[in-house]
Amino acid sequence: QKEVEQDPGPLSVPEGAIVSLNCTYSNSAFQYFMWYRQYSRKGPELLMYTYSSGNKEDGRFTAQVDKSSKYISLFIRDSQPSDSATYLCAMSARGAQKLVFGQGTRLTINP
Amino acid sequence: DAGITQSPRHKVTETGTPVTLRCHQTENHRYMYWYRQDPGHGLRLIHYSYGVKDTDKGEVSDGYSVSRSKTEDFLLTLESATSSQTSVYFCAIRKEEDTQYFGPGTRLTVL
Repeated sequence: QKEVEQDPGPLSVPEGAIVSLNCTYSNSAFQYFMWYRQYSRKGPELLMYTYSSGNKEDGRFTAQVDKSSKYISLFIRDSQPSDSATYLCAMSARGAQKLVFGQGTRLTINP
Repeated sequence: DAGITQSPRHKVTETGTPVTLRCHQTENHRYMYWYRQDPGHGLRLIHYSYGVKDTDKGEVSDGYSVSRSKTEDFLLTLESATSSQTSVYFCAIRKEEDTQYFGPGTRLTVL
């Protein structure tokens, strides 16, 4: 079983919909949680970063961490065609030198 | 812009030839990473460096070596390229609180 599980999709939704992307993990030592967005033929770019539990909001994006359930989510409100990309979750434990990535979810927003 | 460049951006080579990929950063970060990204496998860590001349293996290090003689440069070498090493290679640097920032990638094809 992988340390981080992420449904690869693909996920296709209409423009304006609320999108929910999720990852589950097994390592209770993880404390740093990230979401990356990757456009086709580009490098991943850091979208959201959260330390420990709780919510973080940035514009149309909200990241949630539920450490009791070992579950993290990324919500996209008022989704736009420009949000079409692959979204990767990543996490690490304090003092770890490496991130553990999910496989990525491919998202398409249809106009 | 994370201040990371990768060269070359595209390369086609033949089986058995040596190949060196270069990652250059302009911000003097201690940690640098090499990943490969393949369909169905997501991002996989090849090697990483935590300082000049200090490197360690990742999960898919077989067939790869690295060197870091200067803080700003991290080289990835395929001693004898194989078709299974056809992939997209990303370099990353580590910044505050375990976040990583990625370069634009090198698309390598081994014939």
